Amino acid sequence: EAGVAQSPRYKIIEKRQSVAFWCNPISGHATLYWYQQILGQGPKLLIQFQNNGVVDDSQLPKDRFSAERLKGVDSTLKIQPAKLEDSAVYLCASSLEAGASYNEQFFGPGTRLTVL
Amino acid sequence: AQSVTQLGSHVSVSEGALVLLRCNYSSSVPPYLFWYVQYPNQGLQLLLKYTSAATLVKGINGFEAEFKKSETSFHLTKPSAHMSDAAEYFCAVSPGAGRRALTFGSGTRLQVQP
Repeated sequence: EAGVAQSPRYKIIEKRQSVAFWCNPISGHATLYWYQQILGQGPKLLIQFQNNGVVDDSQLPKDRFSAERLKGVDSTLKIQPAKLEDSAVYLCASSLEAGASYNEQFFGPGTRLTVL
Repeated sequence: AQSVTQLGSHVSVSEGALVLLRCNYSSSVPPYLFWYVQYPNQGLQLLLKYTSAATLVKGINGFEAEFKKSETSFHLTKPSAHMSDAAEYFCAVSPGAGRRALTFGSGTRLQVQP
């Protein structure tokens, strides 16, 4: 079974530029998450999708961050314009979300963003 | 609301020694609790999870954790450390059914000395 795919793996941009990250979840997984992991901290949820609908985006800085999951499969996270404090690893995860029991979240390798 | 506190950002043990990584949680509802491991430049891998069944949970690579409601703790242990255990470990909590997003602790970096 293929895992969660993310690209690019690394990105370096200057502040005020825009950047986009792509995530392809495990086939059949209805729920997709984007987490931001700043160096020395644990991952923090940015946005959660159930199929192509947003479940939780309460911690997404909507003035500069946007995300979409067209057709309920892959997803794109965009930052425009980037700030220095956006330097982090952006992790994508997916889970089955079948029934009431907890379904394991599977994480991709992440995209490491450096904003200069 | 849920939160997780991991005591000790760095833990160093000798190879063959006991590994103990501490995690305390706060949750307004019965929680689901998890331990993840992260190797350099890789994503997170689930070690084990507690989802209201047995309070002693066994995971991969010889790790286990015990859910103690009275202490609001979910400490991770391994009887004998191996060099390959060196990594970053994250404790996480979820409110269970419904919203499934994880709230992570700040992580503990485990070093294993030869």
